[in-house]
Amino acid sequence: EVQLVESGGGLVQPGGSLRLSCAASEFTFSGYWMSWVRQAPGKGLEWVANIKQDGGGEYYVDSVKGRFTISRDNAKNSLYLQMNSLRAEDTAVYYCARGRYNSGWYPDYFDYWGQGTLVTVSS
Amino acid sequence: QSALTQPRSVSGSPGQSVTISCSGTISDVGNNYVSWYQQHPGKAPKLIIYDVTKGPSGVPDRFAGSKSGNTASLTISGLQAEDEADYYCCSYAVSLRLVFGGGTKLTVL
Repeated sequence: EVQLVESGGGLVQPGGSLRLSCAASEFTFSGYWMSWVRQAPGKGLEWVANIKQDGGGEYYVDSVKGRFTISRDNAKNSLYLQMNSLRAEDTAVYYCARGRYNSGWYPDYFDYWGQGTLVTVSS
Repeated sequence: QSALTQPRSVSGSPGQSVTISCSGTISDVGNNYVSWYQQHPGKAPKLIIYDVTKGPSGVPDRFAGSKSGNTASLTISGLQAEDEADYYCCSYAVSLRLVFGGGTKLTVL
């Protein structure tokens, strides 16, 4: 069974940085797009970023562009999210998800999700 | 404000059917890349429908997706107590974005 396990969340002050990790197993990690999706407390889901199979393309929601960087290490079956200049509104559970598509080339749905890691931005 | 519009809540009795709508525009729901997710409290979302109408293996066929114009719908038939959860629609949108609806809380009476 596909497994995605996030780590690295915690409490950080506004303006600070944090790096999230996602360890993938039981599938060929290098063959899939990967994504981060977040959920603020009591709120809905928000797509954050996608990264291509070989790491050669990164795509972000406007609100995190220039502050967050998605990356991956296919040799370690791992996905990362470097978050800089954090704001209170970035407080959320961050989910790692596997991106899929049926036609075209860009993922349009997420077939497996991790359990999430909580990031709290507060002074 | 969410890019896709869902009702905040719906309810139904066991055995009944309920439908959750997801309204967008020609730039998002108007394409054929709509997915739906079920989320129980404190749990990760679970894919239940993709590409508007397709169900992943293991998802009961009580869950059905459809679309008319710029509005997608999720219909759950034969409601069961374990269907009580939050449901989110999601769509590919222009400029390589993915957008979610605000979520709908389903209560099984």
